[in-house]
Amino acid sequence: NAGVTQTPKFQVLKTGQSMTLQCAQDMNHEYMSWYRQDPGMGLRLIHYSVGAGITDQGEVPNGYNVSRSTTEDFPLRLLSAAPSQTSVYFCASSLAGERANTQYFGPGTRLTVL
Amino acid sequence: AQKVTQAQTEISVVEKEDVTLDCVYETRDTTYYLFWYKQPPSGELVFLIRRNSFDEQNEISGRYSWNFQKSTSSFNFTITASQVVDSAVYFCALSENDMRFGAGTRLTVKP
Repeated sequence: NAGVTQTPKFQVLKTGQSMTLQCAQDMNHEYMSWYRQDPGMGLRLIHYSVGAGITDQGEVPNGYNVSRSTTEDFPLRLLSAAPSQTSVYFCASSLAGERANTQYFGPGTRLTVL
Repeated sequence: AQKVTQAQTEISVVEKEDVTLDCVYETRDTTYYLFWYKQPPSGELVFLIRRNSFDEQNEISGRYSWNFQKSTSSFNFTITASQVVDSAVYFCALSENDMRFGAGTRLTVKP
């Protein structure tokens, strides 16, 4: 199993550009989520999904969109990038019920918005 | 609202010293889960332990041990006889309705 994979590993954008961060998992996990990690703030939940076709907002959803058309994939879209979105982004997955189950994290995407 | 506080921003010890990382949480729920993750310099997040709110037994895994005390809302992590490879950022997290992480404690173990 590859586990949770994320692409790209690094990305530089200009303000106003759009892009999609890719996340895929091959563990047949129902639950997937996106976090951002900023210095001194730990990880903050952006969006999550409890299964294909179902998504919901986390703690810091503004400026990001998600969709979940398959169990395996959970892309994160930035429609109009802003410097405040410079961060490291982690995708995670777990068995159904994020509450109780251990989340497995991808390697992260380091995004810089100029 | 759920909240996790890791008051120690950075800790530096010399190899073979014992070190305790503090974690204090706030929650209104009676059922919740607590986690510790390790983030080494390479950047990935590594799961260390999960504990549910009904299980206050302390746990030991090799040089790692965890002390869960509901009375003080704490879930502290101790590394015994620290090693240079333990150098990392350690995150405590609380899962109630969603997962909330503390700000992390950067541990540096010097040879």
